[in-house]
Amino acid sequence: DTGVSQNPRHKITKRGQNVTFRCDPISEHNRLYWYRQTLGQGPEFLTYFQNEAQLEKSRLLSDRFSAERPKGSFSTLEIQRTEQGDSAMYLCASSLAHANEKLFFGSGTQLSVL
Amino acid sequence: AQSVTQPDIHITVSEGASLELRCNYSYGATPYLFWYVQSPGQGLQLLLKYFSGDTLVQGIKGFEAEFKRSQSSFNLRKPSVHWSDAAEYFCAVGNSNYQLIWGAGTKLIIKP
Repeated sequence: DTGVSQNPRHKITKRGQNVTFRCDPISEHNRLYWYRQTLGQGPEFLTYFQNEAQLEKSRLLSDRFSAERPKGSFSTLEIQRTEQGDSAMYLCASSLAHANEKLFFGSGTQLSVL
Repeated sequence: AQSVTQPDIHITVSEGASLELRCNYSYGATPYLFWYVQSPGQGLQLLLKYFSGDTLVQGIKGFEAEFKRSQSSFNLRKPSVHWSDAAEYFCAVGNSNYQLIWGAGTKLIIKP
């Protein structure tokens, strides 16, 4: 068990560019979650998958954001036409598929949009 | 409106001293309650959670928290802090383990 892995650790991009982040969950975990965290705040839920199915998406999630988990293992989060307001830490977490199972978080990808 | 308040942005405690981090919430029903810790460069780690039952819950690393319904509080305590406890602590509430309302966090600084 190597924990939840996220890549890259840091991403600097120019406004208007597209970016993609990757999350590798703990191998036996069926559920995978994406969150966003800005400085001085707690995480904000974005979306979650059970296996390859995207089961829930925050109403706050812009249509510039898309997430996939094609084979039910790793997941990608893409942000199209980035804006300065997208600058944040993007966190991934995974868990077993039982109600209220403990979440295991990755270290996050820090995005800076210039 | 649903909210979580952690009134202390920073707290400084001497090593070996006791610690209490405050958390107050506003929520429509009895929520699930969580405390997470976030160390620099590391992911959020669950310290403890309350779903139901005994209102005093024990967590990892010697932490405990007490749910007080009458005060809408879920304060985190530790009898004796260690330098390795320096981190940011988040209180969160919700009706599931992933759709949570989070506090803004309290940064714990340990004085040698």
